[in-house]
Amino acid sequence: DTGVSQDPRHKITKRGQNVTFRCDPISEHNRLYWYRQTLGQGPEFLTYFQNEAQLEKSRLLSDRFSAERPKGSFSTLEIQRTEQGDSAMYLCASSPKGPETQYFGPGTRLLVL
Amino acid sequence: GQQLNQSPQSMFIQEGEDVSMNCTSSSIFNTWLWYKQEPGEGPVLLIALYKAGELTSNGRLTAQFGITRKDSFLNISASIPSDVGIYFCAGQQGTYKYIFGTGTRLKVLA
Repeated sequence: DTGVSQDPRHKITKRGQNVTFRCDPISEHNRLYWYRQTLGQGPEFLTYFQNEAQLEKSRLLSDRFSAERPKGSFSTLEIQRTEQGDSAMYLCASSPKGPETQYFGPGTRLLVL
Repeated sequence: GQQLNQSPQSMFIQEGEDVSMNCTSSSIFNTWLWYKQEPGEGPVLLIALYKAGELTSNGRLTAQFGITRKDSFLNISASIPSDVGIYFCAGQQGTYKYIFGTGTRLKVLA
């Protein structure tokens, strides 16, 4: 399978703990996006990378959130001092050069107790 | 966060019927993407639209980029039970940011 992969698929954590999610985009896709999706809503944009450069960050991305894509391939999203409101599905998408066509991974479902 | 208006919010239809849904915004978009999402999974790209007035098909699915660039439409012909899911539109705002719709939940009665 050469699609976008995300790990873990599910994460349960206690409030105040730090969590880190990983996204592996489709090979040679230079664009990578992170989204958050809560129940009954569409995905909400969090941040965008072009290669290793983080070019856009949403105001939704508070200081507790940080994302990296150090070598322009996989990306990580870290949430520090998790809060119950962080419970959501975190989705990663990648897109090749040229006309935009975002392909999503299966998501990481986070539950903060 | 900001979300686009999708209509209808949900619909029950009989197998074999055609389905129409739309997405509207007060802002102009340069690209429209349509996705289908099933429970517990990520959205799957169905159709991408890049020019105002563009009409694109993917099997039984047809989508159009509105002339005003503020809306888009998705039609599904001859629906089948596996069309069940949530359909999202997404409009490109600025260079990198995409705004998603609120979703249309489709249920097909066999």
